[in-house]
Amino acid sequence: AQTVTQSQPEMSVQEAETVTLSCTYDTSESDYYLFWYKQPPSRQMILVIRQEAYKQQNATENRFSVNFQKAAKSFSLKISDSQLGDAAMYFCAYRRNFGNEKLTFGTGTRLTIIP
Amino acid sequence: KAGVTQTPRYLIKTRGQQVTLSCSPISGHRSVSWYQQTPGQGLQFLFEYFSETQRNKGNFPGRFSGRQFSNSRSEMNVSTLELGDSALYLCASSFLAGVNTGELFFGEGSRLTVL
Repeated sequence: AQTVTQSQPEMSVQEAETVTLSCTYDTSESDYYLFWYKQPPSRQMILVIRQEAYKQQNATENRFSVNFQKAAKSFSLKISDSQLGDAAMYFCAYRRNFGNEKLTFGTGTRLTIIP
Repeated sequence: KAGVTQTPRYLIKTRGQQVTLSCSPISGHRSVSWYQQTPGQGLQFLFEYFSETQRNKGNFPGRFSGRQFSNSRSEMNVSTLELGDSALYLCASSFLAGVNTGELFFGEGSRLTVL
C-alpha cells in the first residue's frame, strides 16, 4: 500500500523568507502523480502544485517549487518570499495514474507566517 | 466556472440518526470522490464514483454509502450515526472527459457534528 509521510507537523517562517516542507512516500508503482495541497482556515483544499512522476524536471508555480527525487521517493515543497496568505495546512498527496485511484494524503504540516 | 459545491456546510445530528450530504461537481467533471477528515485520522478516502458507478471504495463500514446521478451530482449517506462520525466530509471532482491531469478539485466540505 502507498504511504505518504510528512515529518514536520508544524513549521514557521518569517514573512518574505523561504521555507521548505518535507514529504516522503512509498510506492512500487512507476506512473503516478504527486501533489501539494493547501488548506487555509476557510478549509477548502486548494492545489498548490503537481508533479508527474515520469517528468524529471521539477514543477514550479510562481513562488512555489518542488524538489522531486524519484529514487529517494522524496517530494519537498519550497515556498519563496513567504506571504501572510501562505499560512495554512499543507498536505502532500500521492495518486497512482489510473482512472479510479484515490489520493493518499500525508498528515499535513501547519505553516505559520511570522510578520 | 462554478467550483465544487457541497451542501449543507454545517449540520448537527444525534447518535443513531442518519445524514445525507450532497455534492455538485465542476461542470463537465465525471468523477466524484468523497473523503473524511478528522484530527485523529487525517484525510481518508471513502469512495469514488464515475458515470453513476462506484469504482473504488475505502475501508469504511457499510453504514457509509453513496451514489451518483446521471448529471454527476453525488450524495453520500451515513446511517446509524456514531460519535466518531463527527468530521469534515470533503467532496472532490475530477476528469473532464478526455483530459485527466490527475488532480482533484475540492469543495469546502460539510462539517458534521454528532452529539
